[in-house]
Amino acid sequence: DAGVIQSPRHEVTEMGQEVTLRCKPISGHDYLFWYRQTMMRGLELLIYFNNNVPIDDSGMPEDRFSAKMPNASFSTLKIQPSEPRDSAVYFCASSLTGGRNTEAFFGQGTRLTVV
Amino acid sequence: SQQGEEDPQALSIQEGENATMNCSYKTSINNLQWYRQNSGRGLVHLILIRSNEREKHSGRLRVTLDTSKKSSSLLITASRAADTASYFCATDAVTGANSKLTFGKGITLSVRP
Repeated sequence: DAGVIQSPRHEVTEMGQEVTLRCKPISGHDYLFWYRQTMMRGLELLIYFNNNVPIDDSGMPEDRFSAKMPNASFSTLKIQPSEPRDSAVYFCASSLTGGRNTEAFFGQGTRLTVV
Repeated sequence: SQQGEEDPQALSIQEGENATMNCSYKTSINNLQWYRQNSGRGLVHLILIRSNEREKHSGRLRVTLDTSKKSSSLLITASRAADTASYFCATDAVTGANSKLTFGKGITLSVRP
């Protein structure tokens, strides 16, 4: 397996534009996590899915953020409208059991810059 | 909110020395994991220790867990320049049927050649 695949690797967009980040988890993994990493706040859990169902979205900063997982092999994180404070590295990770005695595998991340 | 908090925030040592990093957490856990992140890359899993374990080894890594103090430590022995990276602890908190992996802010380790 190629691992967790995220796209794009880099995204530069203007304030107010819609941004869509994509993730393909490892085949067979039941859990998918979206994290955001900044210097100030570290690695924050935004939302996670179990078998394509959102379980906990309490980390989503506000209504401008939404995430979907239409099938087991694809997830999106959308920001609409984007703001400069959304600039960060966004990571997707997947695991067999969500961390319950198994490891999470991370993608390479999407570096988002909102100007 | 952050579950784990690492200490120190930054550590600089000479190659060959041992590096000790600590993590404290707040709630009951199923397990605690340590990850490594090289600059500009994703996180990579290093080692997992279950809540009923007290110590675990993997190569030059040694992890301890004290559930009574809600703390863990990661020891890297005989450090190498290639160990330079950020290190994170992650906790799998007890949340009923589901499992939620949350991370601390990380420790920046610099190993001088």
